[in-house]
Amino acid sequence: RKEVEQDPGPFNVPEGATVAFNCTYSNSASQSFFWYRQDCRKEPKLLMSVYSSGNEDGRFTAQLNRASQYISLLIRDSKLSDSATYLCVVNHEKLTFGTGTRLTIIP
Amino acid sequence: NAGVTQTPKFRVLKTGQSMTLLCAQDMNHEYMYWYRQDPGMGLRLIHYSVGEGTTAKGEVPDGYNVSRLKKQNFLLGLESAAPSQTSVYFCASSYGLAGEASRNEQFFGPGTRLTVL
Repeated sequence: RKEVEQDPGPFNVPEGATVAFNCTYSNSASQSFFWYRQDCRKEPKLLMSVYSSGNEDGRFTAQLNRASQYISLLIRDSKLSDSATYLCVVNHEKLTFGTGTRLTIIP
Repeated sequence: NAGVTQTPKFRVLKTGQSMTLLCAQDMNHEYMYWYRQDPGMGLRLIHYSVGEGTTAKGEVPDGYNVSRLKKQNFLLGLESAAPSQTSVYFCASSYGLAGEASRNEQFFGPGTRLTVL
């Protein structure tokens, strides 16, 4: 089993819709979790950290489920500018990156 | 602040040639990393450094060497390039490696696209 698994997509979603991604991780001792965003041919950038209680940043909501070992990212009222690849990142002594989920917002 | 910078941005090598990729950060971070990114695979850690003068192997260190002579610079060397090293290389830095989530954010450079023929 991979340490971090994501559905690669692509997810093609109409503008204004809500979209959610899940990411599963294998190491139950993982300490912290993140979502990074990577635009085409650009470097990854931190979108948000994922806290145990769940956290929200504007249109973005991140959730952590330790019992089932997954994290999720919900994007509401999606914008064209949300088109990117979203990387799930898990920290256990080092950061392990998922392969990413590609999202395209369609006008 | 420039953040993390990488040079060069693009490079084409022939098999067997050598080169050095330079990474520089101006955020006074202790930790620096070199990753490679290939299609269908997540970012894979090549080598990392927890401070000036220290280096450690990551997940895929073979064929690469690194040096951290100054805190702000982290060099990645390919002594004898192979086609399997064709990839996009990202350098990153962070304030901390583990602990508080906010200390773990990694800041990435723009990447170096390397092709080995």
